[in-house]
Amino acid sequence: GAGVSQSPRYKVAKRGQDVALRCDPISGHVSLFWYQQALGQGPEFLTYFQNEAQLDKSGLPSDRFFAERPEGSVSTLKIQRTQQEDSAVYLCASSLVGQVNTGELFFGEGSRLTVL
Amino acid sequence: AQSVSQHNHHVILSEAASLELGCNYSYGGTVNLFWYVQYPGQHLQLLLKYFSGDPLVKGIKGFEAEFIKSKFSFNLRKPSVQWSDTAEYFCAAAGNSGYALNFGKGTSLLVTP
Repeated sequence: GAGVSQSPRYKVAKRGQDVALRCDPISGHVSLFWYQQALGQGPEFLTYFQNEAQLDKSGLPSDRFFAERPEGSVSTLKIQRTQQEDSAVYLCASSLVGQVNTGELFFGEGSRLTVL
Repeated sequence: AQSVSQHNHHVILSEAASLELGCNYSYGGTVNLFWYVQYPGQHLQLLLKYFSGDPLVKGIKGFEAEFIKSKFSFNLRKPSVQWSDTAEYFCAAAGNSGYALNFGKGTSLLVTP
């Protein structure tokens, strides 16, 4: 597709369930980012991939959060044993170049997670 | 700590009014600055960016921003807003180290006809 695609767009989970969120970046984009956006807040950085290598995971809030990009294209963000505070929109972004400080990020529409 | 702050959380303007949204950053060393916009029901998209050179940056849809190093600011401006400018606006910054683009909390702009 022409843009970054995320699925599912909406996910409701019961507390304690595991969820998996998928991101299809723009074809050929080297960099892939995950952000978490809570209601009324700006996006908060979670993790960064350059091709298949996860170069920065400093923003992941706990060891319940795990991200992978095994073939350097599609990425999955997995949240284990979801908690209510995990409720947020999870944004994926990709960039053609390998440096965030020079490249424009292209964002997907996000996956809205609600944990009951 | 590196951070970005936006002073106005909600702004309401009439069409044709002038717009200025404040953004301040706290970064040591070189910083690259961005404004992103999110129209209702759409994804975040880049409005404009500053890396170096002329501190007055022009973006899409008539927006511009001025980098003032002495004030650690990168305010967004538009001389005359339109109803279609109703959106959420985010200021963001990136340093030379690390991979995170740090966002402010955003400003919600409502333009009334």
